[in-house]
This record gives sequence, C-alpha cells and structure tokens, in this order.
Amino acid sequence: DIQMTQSPSSLSASVGDRVTITCRSSQAISNYLAWYQQKPGKVPYLLIYSASTLQSGVPSRFSGSGSGTDFTLTISSLQPEDVATYYCQKYDSGPFSFGGGTKVDIK
Amino acid sequence: QEQLVESGGGVVQPGKSLRLSCVGSGFTFRSYGLHWVRQAPGKGLEWVATISYDGSNKFYADSVKGRFTISRDNSKNTVSLRMNSLRAEETAVYYCARGPDYYYYMDLWGKGTAVTVSS
Repeated sequence: DIQMTQSPSSLSASVGDRVTITCRSSQAISNYLAWYQQKPGKVPYLLIYSASTLQSGVPSRFSGSGSGTDFTLTISSLQPEDVATYYCQKYDSGPFSFGGGTKVDIK
Repeated sequence: QEQLVESGGGVVQPGKSLRLSCVGSGFTFRSYGLHWVRQAPGKGLEWVATISYDGSNKFYADSVKGRFTISRDNSKNTVSLRMNSLRAEETAVYYCARGPDYYYYMDLWGKGTAVTVSS
C-alpha cells in the first residue's frame, strides 16, 4: 500500500509568517490529493482537493501544489484562527489513507 | 442545510459487535460516495471504509477488512458500518463523511459518534 508521510509533524510560527507543510506519497498518485484542517475539538474540514483546487469558502491565503509524489500546503500569512492540525489524504485508489498530520500553532 | 448525523456509538466489550448509522439531509444523498473515518483519542485521522454512490463498490482499510461491513440505503439516506470482533485499539470517534463519487475525498463531515471498546 502507498504510504503518506507529512513533515514536519509540528511547527510554531508567528502571525503573518508563510507556512509550508509537505506531504509525500511512497508511489505516484497524480494529483489525487486533498488537504484537511482540524481545529482543536472540531470536525475535519476540506481545504483543497485535486492537489491545488481551493474548496469553496476557504480563504485565499491557503494554497496547494504538487503532483506525483510530492505535495505542499502553504499558508501565505498565518493567522491566529489557523491554529489546527492539517492532514493530507490520497484518493487515487484504495486505501484512501491520510498522512500523520502536522500541528500548527502560533509562536 | 447539508448535514450528516451519526448514531450508534457507545461502550462495547472486546470481541463484540456494534452498528453505526449516519443519516444525510439537505443534499441528494444517492449521488455521493460515503466514508467512515475514525480518530482514536489524541491521534490522527484513519480512513476506515468507503462505499460508492450506488453501493456497487466498497473499499476497506486492511485493519478492518473481514470484520467491518459498510452498506447504504439510498431510500432512507442512510449509510451504516457494521463492526464485528471489536478490539480495544478501535476505541475512537467515528466520523461519517461525504464526497463526490469516484473522486473519494471528503467535503462534508458529521460530528462523529464515540465508540469505546472496553471490558
């Protein structure tokens, strides 16, 4: 099975910083990758699908890129409300597994 | 508004069975793929199972294959997860989620139902 690896597992950044999270798959998955945000105590929320398509209603400071095996989620200017754990998920074929998550907080 | 509401969670002994249900409303239920995702306390998201819009395709995580069964009833806007031979490590919040059929990402999530496997 394809493994999804996220890095870093956690990061701390200042408000206004540019934040980048990486997701790597052990085999190519084209652009069949989604990103989710889960705020503390809340339900996961879809941010991006097809590696770079922003879900409706998601702030434009979020962006995604990549194809094949390497993907990134970027927050262009970190805001206090972005404190959350972020997960990538592959959906090219089963199993539709998630990465281990990246916890983002404010320095 | 569009929503998914799970039910059926609770405390169950190891080796026993439990059936979770999820009812969708506010959208055309029969047009979407449906998923179960779980999250153990303090841990990350774990995909469990997926069913296609018409129930013809089902996918399972290796960890649950042969023990869990996903099903749906489009006439009742319901998706279910039958869980047999439960293990202590399957204690988690179980989320129902919706997504486009064939492209199996998840664009709407329920609030989850908690399952505790303990003697």
